[in-house]
Amino acid sequence: DAKTTQPNSMESNEEEPVHLPCNHSTISGTDYIHWYRQLPSQGPEYVIHGLTSNVNNRMASLAIAEDRKSSTLILHRATLRDAAVYYCILRDGRAGTDKLIFGTGTRLQVFP
Amino acid sequence: DTGVSQDPRHKITKRGQNVTFRCDPISEHNRLYWYRQTLGQGPEFLTYFQNEAQLEKSRLLSDRFSAERPKGSFSTLEIQRTEQGDSAMYLCASSLDPARGFGNTIYFGEGSWLTVV
Repeated sequence: DAKTTQPNSMESNEEEPVHLPCNHSTISGTDYIHWYRQLPSQGPEYVIHGLTSNVNNRMASLAIAEDRKSSTLILHRATLRDAAVYYCILRDGRAGTDKLIFGTGTRLQVFP
Repeated sequence: DTGVSQDPRHKITKRGQNVTFRCDPISEHNRLYWYRQTLGQGPEFLTYFQNEAQLEKSRLLSDRFSAERPKGSFSTLEIQRTEQGDSAMYLCASSLDPARGFGNTIYFGEGSWLTVV
């Protein structure tokens, strides 16, 4: 059972910013928020992760709500290569289990 | 750049035959995971290893499925007496033990596609 909820699909135009939302109202204190994306016929690709503070890397930014019950993945300038399914996942590696529970993700379409 | 390597990438087999997939994780990654993904769905967890020890198995991993990681390096996933419902992409992933880098990344391979006819 996925512990996150995401919109099924979103659209963007090339070179525009994209904000992909994720709700995780049952998040626990030890859960990290991970984002992966999957291009057609490929395995999931790591995008970014965070615990409490906002995070930036070369691919994206992750904004985490103060109560941690939601987060937003930000692609600053979408390109056609960003068209993929984006998964928001909670991971707790200390609970005696270490599995990522994927939902159905958000399918991002990017138009030229 | 030696990422997670999976072999074969594609396999077509007849129902009832056995198939085996191999996964070579990123060097020094002591955790190795297997997932399965069907069309239109997100990946589903099957099992994971810490070195050679299999620490968790999903209920999806029926008795026809067996995974091994004998020397704590590469892993194999065998499916016996394949059924059409086994048709899916089988994904392998690896990571460092979270205790050595909490919140560390899990890296996925490109998957092995299985078609059972």
